[in-house]
Amino acid sequence: KQEVTQIPAALSVPEGENLVLNCSFTDSAIYNLQWFRQDPGKGLTSLLLIQSSQREQTSGRLNASLDKSSGRSTLYIAASQPGDSATYLCAVLGAQKLVFGQGTRLTINP
Amino acid sequence: NAGVTQTPKFRILKIGQSMTLQCTQDMNHNYMYWYRQDPGMGLKLIYYSVGAGITDKGEVPNGYNVSRSTTEDFPLRLELAAPSQTSVYFCASSYSSLAGGPTYNEQFFGPGTRLTVL
Repeated sequence: KQEVTQIPAALSVPEGENLVLNCSFTDSAIYNLQWFRQDPGKGLTSLLLIQSSQREQTSGRLNASLDKSSGRSTLYIAASQPGDSATYLCAVLGAQKLVFGQGTRLTINP
Repeated sequence: NAGVTQTPKFRILKIGQSMTLQCTQDMNHNYMYWYRQDPGMGLKLIYYSVGAGITDKGEVPNGYNVSRSTTEDFPLRLELAAPSQTSVYFCASSYSSLAGGPTYNEQFFGPGTRLTVL
């Protein structure tokens, strides 16, 4: 059974810092990995999708990497801003089903 | 495009009542999903559909039913509501193709329905 873990559960950093969020999964037989952002009381916004054949994806200040063999992904956020404060969820797709981690709650302090 | 829409946004049910959560997507996606999110937790898959007329169970299907008569709509039915079904429900859709090897594209989510069962 696929299990997805995100550590830490919460992270607080000052504005302007570069930071890395971690995601690990137990079964490397995945089709893709997706990073989402969730604001309080809101739905999920897709940030980046990495197909299983890819190693990384970039969008603006965000860069996501995927290492299937070690069961790990990282989300790198450059030059963090208060507007980046949210919960970040990673999810892996295997056998048509998306399995989510519990998320990292990120707070960027001005 | 409106994307994925869900109604209602909020609902309070009494134990034993029934209701249907509506979900519609206008992106011509073949795959649709229902998830629930409990406080402080990730999302868990309830049911999914790979196309009109085809549905399958996810991780937590007990107490729910679905149908998919059209590409656009994927309603979720709660029969005999229980307090354990208090949660936020999200509908999602994606386009996937098995031609020439499976390709699964990103899932798009609706804004959610916050359900309380008292």
